[in-house]
Amino acid sequence: NAGVTQTPKFRILKIGQSMTLQCAQDMNHNYMYWYRQDPGMGLKLIYYSVGAGITDKGEVPNGYNVSRSTTEDFPLRLELAAPSQTSVYFCASSYSPSYEQYFGPGTRLTVT
Amino acid sequence: GQQLNQSPQSMFIQEGEDVSMNCTSSSIFNTWLWYKQDPGEGPVLLIALYKAGELTSNGRLTAQFGITRKDSFLNISASIPSDVGIYFCAGQKRGQGAQKLVFGQGTRLTINP
Repeated sequence: NAGVTQTPKFRILKIGQSMTLQCAQDMNHNYMYWYRQDPGMGLKLIYYSVGAGITDKGEVPNGYNVSRSTTEDFPLRLELAAPSQTSVYFCASSYSPSYEQYFGPGTRLTVT
Repeated sequence: GQQLNQSPQSMFIQEGEDVSMNCTSSSIFNTWLWYKQDPGEGPVLLIALYKAGELTSNGRLTAQFGITRKDSFLNISASIPSDVGIYFCAGQKRGQGAQKLVFGQGTRLTINP
């Protein structure tokens, strides 16, 4: 099992550009999450999904969009990148909301 | 949004020393979690606590769920170089799923050999 995989590992964007951060899991988990991690701060939830076709906003959803067409994949879309979106992004999955979350290795995004 | 207060923010210790860190909140949590993040990797769950007063060990790591339910502690005994990383606490309230997890800002542990 690969667990949770994320691509790319690093990316530099110019202001106003768009990109999609990819996340995939092979554990057949229903629940998937996107977090951002800013320096000196804890993880903040951007969006989450409880299953294919069902997504909901987290604490900091502005500037992002998600989709969940399959159980395995949960991409995060940035439409108009802004410097405030410079961060490390983590995808996670869990069997249920009460079970342990498994995190991917992260994507380090810089917007200049 | 709410955030847990974790201290210290960073620690510089000698190999072999014991480590203590804690996490406090102004509100009550029913589950406390401790994660470790290695450089360039995502967080990995170390210990989960579900009951006030609970003391749980995982090898050289011991964590406690505070009696008030507003704090938790993590101790590492006889530190070794692979303990280097960032340690996060997270709290979860009764009836709320993982989408409501609240994270601390992390304690960065550096070990001098």
